[in-house]
Amino acid sequence: GAGVSQSPSNKVTEKGKDVELRCDPISGHTALYWYRQSLGQGLEFLIYFQGNSAPDKSGLPSDRFSAERTGGSVSTLTIQRTQQEDSAVYLCASSPTPRETQYFGPGTRLLVL
Amino acid sequence: GDSVTQMEGPVTLSEEAFLTINCTYTATGYPSLFWYVQYPGEGLQLLLKATKADDKGSNKGFEATYRKETTSFHLEKGSVQVSDSAVYFCALSDRGNAGKSTFGDGTTLTVKP
Repeated sequence: GAGVSQSPSNKVTEKGKDVELRCDPISGHTALYWYRQSLGQGLEFLIYFQGNSAPDKSGLPSDRFSAERTGGSVSTLTIQRTQQEDSAVYLCASSPTPRETQYFGPGTRLLVL
Repeated sequence: GDSVTQMEGPVTLSEEAFLTINCTYTATGYPSLFWYVQYPGEGLQLLLKATKADDKGSNKGFEATYRKETTSFHLEKGSVQVSDSAVYFCALSDRGNAGKSTFGDGTTLTVKP
């Protein structure tokens, strides 16, 4: 079946602009995660959605970052007033339930000029 | 809170050498443990997992045993190949933390012929 998809695959933007990153999880997966991976670095947790529960936003680095998940499926990560330090690969993952294997999307490579 | 500590890299080995990448964890509950791998130019994917104490996960010649007494999940392979060159991430998913996942910083392995 279809895996996790993310769009766009690449995004170049100017400092100060807003960007939206989209994630389509595997159908039926209740858990959805956003991570950030900077060049040569590990995974930085951003936000976690589980079913209809309030999301865990503890990893969001600033109030410029926000995310939503509509209808328990598609998720959008929004970065407002982008800064150069926001440049990274943004990864989305989903899992059937918490504690199970996460399936990762290919990522969105964001470059802020 | 939950945390995962894995051996710092980079690790460079010759082909057919024995590999160990150490991983220890702290968790508030009773976690599932995972090793994920990221091959050059590819997305993150599951390598192996274990869901309870003394379980051994194995795949592609890699093994890791869930050791509750030492809170460890060390990755081992008896004879590495050039194709094993990748970044390896240890991770946990903790039901005591609503299933949120925590990743280590990743260990880069390079295998030379």
